[in-house]
Formats: sequence, C-alpha cells, structure tokens
Amino acid sequence: EAGVTQFPSHSVIEKGQTVTLRCDPISGHDNLYWYRRVMGKEIKFLLHFVKESKQDESGMPNNRFLAERTGGTYSTLKVQPAELEDSGVYFCASSLHIGRLNSPLHFGNGTRLTVT
Amino acid sequence: AQSVSQHNHHVILSEAASLELGCNYSYGGTVNLFWYVQYPGQHLQLLLKYFSGDPLVKGIKGFEAEFIKSKFSFNLRKPSVQWSDTAEYFCAVNALTGGSQGNLIFGKGTKLSVKP
Repeated sequence: EAGVTQFPSHSVIEKGQTVTLRCDPISGHDNLYWYRRVMGKEIKFLLHFVKESKQDESGMPNNRFLAERTGGTYSTLKVQPAELEDSGVYFCASSLHIGRLNSPLHFGNGTRLTVT
Repeated sequence: AQSVSQHNHHVILSEAASLELGCNYSYGGTVNLFWYVQYPGQHLQLLLKYFSGDPLVKGIKGFEAEFIKSKFSFNLRKPSVQWSDTAEYFCAVNALTGGSQGNLIFGKGTKLSVKP
C-alpha cells in the first residue's frame, strides 16, 4: 500500500509569506495527525483529525496556523504569515481506527520548512 | 505536563557493540510506550511498543525494550549493533486513556552512529 505522502519535501520562504503543506494519508485511515520538530527540540504534536473533524488541536502554536481536512481525505496545514520560529520539519501521520490499540501511526517523510 | 527524557544526544559505537538507549518519562498514570526510528532519508518507523503485559517487548531488527514502571523507564537495547542501525531513535509516550495513539509525547531523539 502507498504510505503517507507529504508535499513539498522542502520549502524555503521569507518571513511574512504564506506556505501550505499537504499531507495525503494512507487510504482509508480515519485518523490524521500533524507534528512538528524544531531543530534540536522534540517532535511535538500539533493536532489530530478524525475524518474531517478536529479531534484535538491543543498543540497548535497560534492562530497563524490553520489546518484543514476537507472531505476527510488529504489535509493541508497553512502558515500565514510565517515567522522565523516556524522553521522546522512538519510531519504528518495517519492511523486506521479510532481508539484501537493495535492501529499504529504511519508517518510521512516530513516537510522541511525554512523561514528566512 | 508530561515529558520524555532521552539521556544521550549522540551515541557512537563500533559494530558488534551492545546498545542501550535510556528513556524516562514523567506521568503517573497508565501509559503506552513506543520507540520509533528514523533512518537517514526515511520516514519515522515504529520499532516496538508496549501497552500492557510482559514488560520486556521485542521489536524489529533484534531490538527490545524493558518497561520498568517503578523507574518510569523504557530503555531500548540491542545486544550487537550493525552499521545499518545508524539512525535517530525516538522514545515516545501516549498518556491518554481510551487507546488513542495520537498525541504522542516524544523525547528529543538519540542519534546512533555505528562505525563499520
């Protein structure tokens, strides 16, 4: 099966610009997650979709970040306007079922965002 | 707040050496525990997980980890490393009840370099 795919793999933008990251989960996976790793720090949870609904968005850093998952398929994460501290690697993950202990997370390769 | 500590930032070993990577977490309730690995240029992959039962869990590629509840630890071990084990290793905890595997709390990661 195709894995979780993320696009672009790398994005370099200037402070104040807008960037949209995309994640295509594994087909049929209801759960979609966004994580971020700032250089030298931990991978941190941003939010969790169940189908098209936001189940938990407690990790979103501020209102410059907007995540959507229209139709419960792919998801986008928009940063507007981008700031220097937004630089990092943004990971997407998906899993099959809600609340199923043996439903592992499958991660994408990540999008490396550099804000200059 | 929950946190995960990985004791070593970078570990350098020769092939055939034994490996132990430390991981401690702070949370007093029931936890699910994970080790993920990211090989160079690849996505995060699940190495092994602990939910309940035998505290010694076996994962892929000869890795194992032991959950010691009294020490809040989940150390990763491998008796004899190979050059192909060169990667970054992440310990993660899910402190939520209900079985959701989202909202993982990650450690900062340990880079393992194995010299041939």
